[in-house]
Amino acid sequence: EAQVTQNPRYLITVTGKKLTVTCSQNMNHEYMSWYRQDPGLGLRQIYYSMNVEVTDKGDVPEGYKVSRKEKRNFPLILESPSPNQTSLYFCASSSPGAGTDTQYFGPGTRLTVL
Amino acid sequence: GESVGLHLPTLSVQEGDNSIINCAYSNSASDYFIWYKQESGKGPQFIIDIRSNMDKRQGQRVTVLLNKTVKHLSLQIAATQPGDSAVYFCAEYMYNFNKFYFGSGTKLNVKP
Repeated sequence: EAQVTQNPRYLITVTGKKLTVTCSQNMNHEYMSWYRQDPGLGLRQIYYSMNVEVTDKGDVPEGYKVSRKEKRNFPLILESPSPNQTSLYFCASSSPGAGTDTQYFGPGTRLTVL
Repeated sequence: GESVGLHLPTLSVQEGDNSIINCAYSNSASDYFIWYKQESGKGPQFIIDIRSNMDKRQGQRVTVLLNKTVKHLSLQIAATQPGDSAVYFCAEYMYNFNKFYFGSGTKLNVKP
C-alpha cells in the first residue's frame, strides 16, 4: 500500500530535550516536505526536499532541522524544543511532473513541549 | 509568503444537498491548485486538482472551478453525504518556488 508513515504519532516532551520525528514514504517520491498545523493558521511549510541531499527552508524553519540521506526518509529534528513548537506536524511527499503534483500526507504527529 | 484563504470557516448543509466551498488565492503566478479533505485525527487527503490552464475539472461527485480573473477557487460536492463532514483545504503550488501554500480550512457539517 502506497503511504507516508510518521513516528511517533504522539509525543510529550520537555523544553530543550532533543527529539526526532521520522517520516518515510514507499512511493519513490522525489519531493518531501514537513508542515506544522496550528488552529486558524492552516498548514505552514517548515522544510522541503527536492531529492536526496537537497533540502531548503519553507516558511517557518526556525528551530527545526531536516536531513535527506535516503530518498524514502525525511526526518524532522528539533535540537532544543520550545513550547511554541507545540503543534500538529505532517510529513508529505510527491513526485512533481509525474502526471499529478499532489502531495500525499502522513497521519500526523501531535507534539507537546512542556 | 503568499496567502491562500477561505471565505467561510464553517459550512452546514443538509444531507443530499450540494455544497460549495470557496477559496481566494493571492498569487496569480500559481500553476496548480488542489483541494484536500481532512477528517479528525487524520492527515489531509487529496480530493481533486486543477492546473492553471483549466477552468473546470470534474471528479466523482466533486467539481473544482478556477476563476483566474478574480483569483477564486471553489469546490462543489454533489449530493453531500455524512461521510463528507470534514475540514476542506485549498492549496496552491508554484513550480518556480517548489512550494505549496494552504488555506486555513473550512469545516463542512452535513446534517442528516
